[in-house]
Amino acid sequence: QVQLVESGGGVVQPGRSLRLSCTASGFIFNKYAMHWVRQAPGKGLEWVAVIAYDGSHKYHADSVNGRSTISRDNPKNTLYLEMDSLTAEDTAMYYCAKGSVTYSSSSGMDVWGQGTPVTVSS
Amino acid sequence: QSSLTQPPSASGTPGQRVTIPCSGSSSNIGSNRVDWYQHLPGTAPKLLIYSNSYRPSGVPDRFSGSRSGTSASLAISGLQSEDEATYYCAAWDDSLIGVVFGGGTKVTVL
Repeated sequence: QVQLVESGGGVVQPGRSLRLSCTASGFIFNKYAMHWVRQAPGKGLEWVAVIAYDGSHKYHADSVNGRSTISRDNPKNTLYLEMDSLTAEDTAMYYCAKGSVTYSSSSGMDVWGQGTPVTVSS
Repeated sequence: QSSLTQPPSASGTPGQRVTIPCSGSSSNIGSNRVDWYQHLPGTAPKLLIYSNSYRPSGVPDRFSGSRSGTSASLAISGLQSEDEATYYCAAWDDSLIGVVFGGGTKVTVL
């Protein structure tokens, strides 16, 4: 079945870096854009980043721009999010989501993973 | 601060119709399609409505969406207890060059 499984979350100290991974199965990974979305405790959903099906276009939210990089390895069916200079405001559940189209400029996300929690704390 | 505006809460009794508005601007809802998501605590968000008004396979037809100008709305007719969840609207924003979500509307079935 179509599935996304995130990993790489955990407790990290302020100022450190983290790399999240999302492994996809059950669909043709290299044909769809992929997103990262997060939810801080007690808050709503916040979009983080998107990458086009072939990696040609990447966009990041202002809140993480310059500190994060979305990337993908299509032969490995894996999506990544690297985040630097983490602060307490980055504490959240991080979800990867499959775009419903190939290109990046769409808000449609039709498959979501269960999320991986990130806690930034000393 | 969300670029799309939703009321924080809505409620209704079983069988009632509930409508959730989502207000945006010319750079998002006014020029791009709107999607709606249902999110229950501890679970993954679920795509409920895509491209303003289309339901993915498996979504009951009591859920419907519409868009007009720079606003959109989600309607739940025949409200059921399992519809208790938080609902988010989302759209691509041409100015921010990214996806914007509404703040979410928590629906309570009385």
